[in-house]
Amino acid sequence: AQSVTQPDIHITVSEGASLELRCNYSYGATPYLFWYVQSPGQGLQLLLKYFSGDTLVQGIKGFEAEFKRSQSSFNLRKPSVHWSDAAEYFCAVGASGNTGKLIFGQGTTLQVKP
Amino acid sequence: GAGVSQTPSNKVTEKGKYVELRCDPISGHTALYWYRQSLGQGPEFLIYFQGTGAADDSGLPNDRFFAVRPEGSVSTLKIQRTERGDSAVYLCASSPYPTKSTEAFFGQGTRLTVV
Repeated sequence: AQSVTQPDIHITVSEGASLELRCNYSYGATPYLFWYVQSPGQGLQLLLKYFSGDTLVQGIKGFEAEFKRSQSSFNLRKPSVHWSDAAEYFCAVGASGNTGKLIFGQGTTLQVKP
Repeated sequence: GAGVSQTPSNKVTEKGKYVELRCDPISGHTALYWYRQSLGQGPEFLIYFQGTGAADDSGLPNDRFFAVRPEGSVSTLKIQRTERGDSAVYLCASSPYPTKSTEAFFGQGTRLTVV
């Protein structure tokens, strides 16, 4: 069955520190992977996506993610976190069938210390 | 409108009542999705529309849940005989094409509280 696991429910980092949010997926074929961010009172916003090609993908707001097939992972990174990055982050995989349906992980809440 | 609009933003209802949640997708988007996000969880798929038809309703939890999109634009999610367990944020998303690679644009959600 297709699934996404985000092992860290809550992460706290200091402003200016680097960030890595973990995501592991279970999918039989080549996965279509996404990272979304949800700020309080806001809808989900797409940060980046991976379909094929270069395994290191760049997104908005200075985020990047690396696809590692051997580890079934798609971890999100940012070299220097800003206070405005505090939010909830969701990893998702496109479900089988060409419908655009997404399977989300449980989410990771990021807190940024001043 | 510029984005996906969901109304109401908040809804409190009594157990056993009927509720309707509305989604206005981005103009021209043919695909529309409903998700449910319970507290501390990621969004879970409910139903997907391609045009006016429900192409995949495999995520609807039971027959108390129903959704329509009669003209291929606005969609309404209907919940009958609400239960406290239905309390969640209901998210709507739309995309121009229903493919794996197409970005889905999400609304801000409707927070439903059943008391």
